[in-house]
Amino acid sequence: AAGVIQSPRHLIKEKRETATLKCYPIPRHDTVYWYQQGPGQDPQFLISFYEKMQSDKGSIPDRFSAQQFSDYHSELNMSSLELGDSALYFCASSRYQGGETQYFGPGTRLLVL
Amino acid sequence: RKEVEQDPGPFNVPEGATVAFNCTYSNSASQSFFWYRQDCRKEPKLLMSVYSSGNEDGRFTAQLNRASQYISLLIRDSKLSDSATYLCVVNDSGNTGKLIFGQGTTLQVKP
Repeated sequence: AAGVIQSPRHLIKEKRETATLKCYPIPRHDTVYWYQQGPGQDPQFLISFYEKMQSDKGSIPDRFSAQQFSDYHSELNMSSLELGDSALYFCASSRYQGGETQYFGPGTRLLVL
Repeated sequence: RKEVEQDPGPFNVPEGATVAFNCTYSNSASQSFFWYRQDCRKEPKLLMSVYSSGNEDGRFTAQLNRASQYISLLIRDSKLSDSATYLCVVNDSGNTGKLIFGQGTTLQVKP
């Protein structure tokens, strides 16, 4: 069965650079969630989209923005990168929002030097 | 205080042992509850949803006590392949599906 696809899988950037992470949800899933997992930490919710509209916002810095496109894929844009942004970024998708099961992608490992 | 709290462990058990994990959550309006499994440097994978009536999937049994805001996971006859971090996860009370994760409990099953 098709899973959530994330690209790139690994990314190395320097401080103050920008990065764009992409997420392709499972077919027919209309809801996308972004989570950040720092080293030794649990995943923290960043932002979510339902039917191409932002549906919820968590602890996402103002330097980050995201959107969901007409084909339901989503992009997380990160600017003025800081060392503390180094983390695993997971995208999850679900069919409808609410209590539906979320399926996670393999993540993008971002290292900021 | 974290919204979802777990004992981080690690739990080191021999093969064949029974092990139980516990979790508490602070938001009484939370609607949905899950156990996810995460292997090192990989994505969380759904192990099972948790219902008040309790549910069982093979060697795994999950239970929810809404009155005590307490969730449990029981693993019977532990296998080496069960070694992982087990995340207690709560769906936020809103309708958006935001998940709140516990810090995870690490299980190491030894031969």
